[in-house]
Amino acid sequence: DFQMTQSPSSLSASVGDRVTVTCRAGQSISGFLNWYQQKPGKAPRLLIYAASSLQSGVPPRFSGSGSGTEFTLTISNMQPEDFAVFFCQQSFSGPFTFGPGTRVDRK
Amino acid sequence: EARLVESGGGLVKPGGSLRLSCVASGFNFRNAWMSWVRQAPGKGLEWVGRIKSAADGGTPDSSVNPRFIISRDDSKDTLHLQINGLKTEDTAVYYCATDSPLIDYFYAMDVWGQGTTVTVSS
Repeated sequence: DFQMTQSPSSLSASVGDRVTVTCRAGQSISGFLNWYQQKPGKAPRLLIYAASSLQSGVPPRFSGSGSGTEFTLTISNMQPEDFAVFFCQQSFSGPFTFGPGTRVDRK
Repeated sequence: EARLVESGGGLVKPGGSLRLSCVASGFNFRNAWMSWVRQAPGKGLEWVGRIKSAADGGTPDSSVNPRFIISRDDSKDTLHLQINGLKTEDTAVYYCATDSPLIDYFYAMDVWGQGTTVTVSS
């Protein structure tokens, strides 16, 4: 199985901040990496697929980069509605494991 | 608008079985690969399994546990997850999602249901 880790596990940010979350795979997954956002009591929402492609309807302040084993999700200008938990997921090989999540809360 | 609605969750005793359903609307279900993801209380997301579209065979692609059986009824636009030998650690919200090839072979779960809650307790 492909183990996924995320750092940090949590962070505090202010509106307008630039926020970066890192996801690492135990072995190379090329660009097969997705990012999801989840708010309390809600289903996850796809933000980024194939490491850097923005899902339709997602604001361009969200961006993804990386390949191989290291990936980043960046929120360029944090908005009030962006505070949530963010999960990465590898789609390279089954089982398609998720990272443990990064909680971003308001400072 | 694509929509998924899960049902079938509830309180079950350890060792029991449960069949969850996920009804799709607003898109061509027959052509969709579908996945199940679960989330234990206060925990992260756990991928459960995936089933191919009817055109690709309609068979399970892979899963993490042989106790979980994924099937589909394309005549009813419905996805199922049968869970056998339930354990307390199976307590979770279970989500179904479309697993779409958004670029070539780069799959991602782009439409999600609201989830159904399974509680395993004696």
